[in-house]
Amino acid sequence: GENVEQHPSTLSVQEGDSAVIKCTYSDSASNYFPWYKQELGKRPQLIIDIRSNVGEKKDQRIAVTLNKTAKHFSLHITETQPEDSAVYFCAASIQNNNNDMRFGAGTRLTVKP
Amino acid sequence: EPEVTQTPSHQVTQMGQEVILRCVPISNHLYFYWYRQILGQKVEFLVSFYNNEISEKSEIFDDQFSVERPDGSNFTLKIRSTKLEDSAMYFCASSARPLNYGYTFGSGTRLTVV
Repeated sequence: GENVEQHPSTLSVQEGDSAVIKCTYSDSASNYFPWYKQELGKRPQLIIDIRSNVGEKKDQRIAVTLNKTAKHFSLHITETQPEDSAVYFCAASIQNNNNDMRFGAGTRLTVKP
Repeated sequence: EPEVTQTPSHQVTQMGQEVILRCVPISNHLYFYWYRQILGQKVEFLVSFYNNEISEKSEIFDDQFSVERPDGSNFTLKIRSTKLEDSAMYFCASSARPLNYGYTFGSGTRLTVV
């Protein structure tokens, strides 16, 4: 089955700096890669996603890149703000299958003011 | 915006007791899921459900677990004989096919087994 690895487990940056979180996946059939943000005690919220026919996607301060050959994808947050502090999870799934997702272990991002 | 709703938000149960966690998926969604998250750990897939049957289940989803869609709106997770290690946040999710916008997770049920 799919195995998703996520690094780093914790990341601390200064407000205004960029943050990068990286994930790798094992199943080459995976074709959908969402990123979730989870604040303490709350549900995971989808923040951005990317499909395997796209190499990069950007939404304001957030961007994701995908390298299908290397089977890795990354989340980039620019101009970080304290409210970006949360746990971020990557995930991988195969659309047109059951769509069930496998999550990475999460990255706790702390943005220091 | 449509939401997945879960009840109860928090349940405390004695070890060995049965619990039923309830979810109301988004009405036009066809795929339903249960995930769990032990405190401070990652979100783990339990089971997916489509067309009134289990599509896939993980190794966590053993014989003490079952799912049901008893009517047109509810989707339930039953844990038959709870163990201490079942204490976790349980998230229900639903999606439409084709998947265009990711899962919508419910707000979760915190299960505490004492």
